[in-house]
Amino acid sequence: AQRVTQPEKLLSVFKGAPVELKCNYSYSGSPELFWYVQYSRQRLQLLLRHISRESIKGFTADLNKGETSFHLKKPFAQEEDSAMYYCALSWITGFQKLVFGTGTRLLVSP
Amino acid sequence: EAGVAQSPRYKIIEKRQSVAFWCNPISGHATLYWYQQILGQGPKLLIQFQNNGVVDDSQLPKDRFSAERLKGVDSTLKIQPAKLEDSAVYLCASSHGLAGMDEQFFGPGTRLTVL
Repeated sequence: AQRVTQPEKLLSVFKGAPVELKCNYSYSGSPELFWYVQYSRQRLQLLLRHISRESIKGFTADLNKGETSFHLKKPFAQEEDSAMYYCALSWITGFQKLVFGTGTRLLVSP
Repeated sequence: EAGVAQSPRYKIIEKRQSVAFWCNPISGHATLYWYQQILGQGPKLLIQFQNNGVVDDSQLPKDRFSAERLKGVDSTLKIQPAKLEDSAVYLCASSHGLAGMDEQFFGPGTRLTVL
């Protein structure tokens, strides 16, 4: 079955430190991977998707099909990066399906 | 563009009572989703509509949950009767529904507490 695993519930770093939020998925076909973010008191929103290969707010994520991973990285964390991050896997079976991981809370301290 | 609207934002009920949630998606979005997010977990899809037709309700507890999307626009999700384990945030999302992998736009959610 399709599944997304985010092994860390909480990741706490200091401002300026590198950040890596881990995401592993299980899917045998060609997946589309997303990172969604929820800042405090805001709604869940798309951060980035692997197909666009963009860097958003300094974050990047590379799809590694061999390791079935899609880790989110940022070289220098900022306090405003503190939020809940969800990795999501999407595929199409006649219509689009999306499954979320359990999320990782990133806390960036000054 | 205006975002996805949901109401109410908060609801407290006793077990065995009924409750309904409302969602207004982004104008022109063909696909509408209802998710359940239990504390400490990621959103779990309950039901997905394409226009006013259901395309996926495999994880909807149909003995107590129901949803409809009249005229392919607004949607309501109902729980009758509620159980303690239904306490969660109920998220509505919408997407264009075009071919391919759409971005989903989320509403603020309704936080349901069942006592």
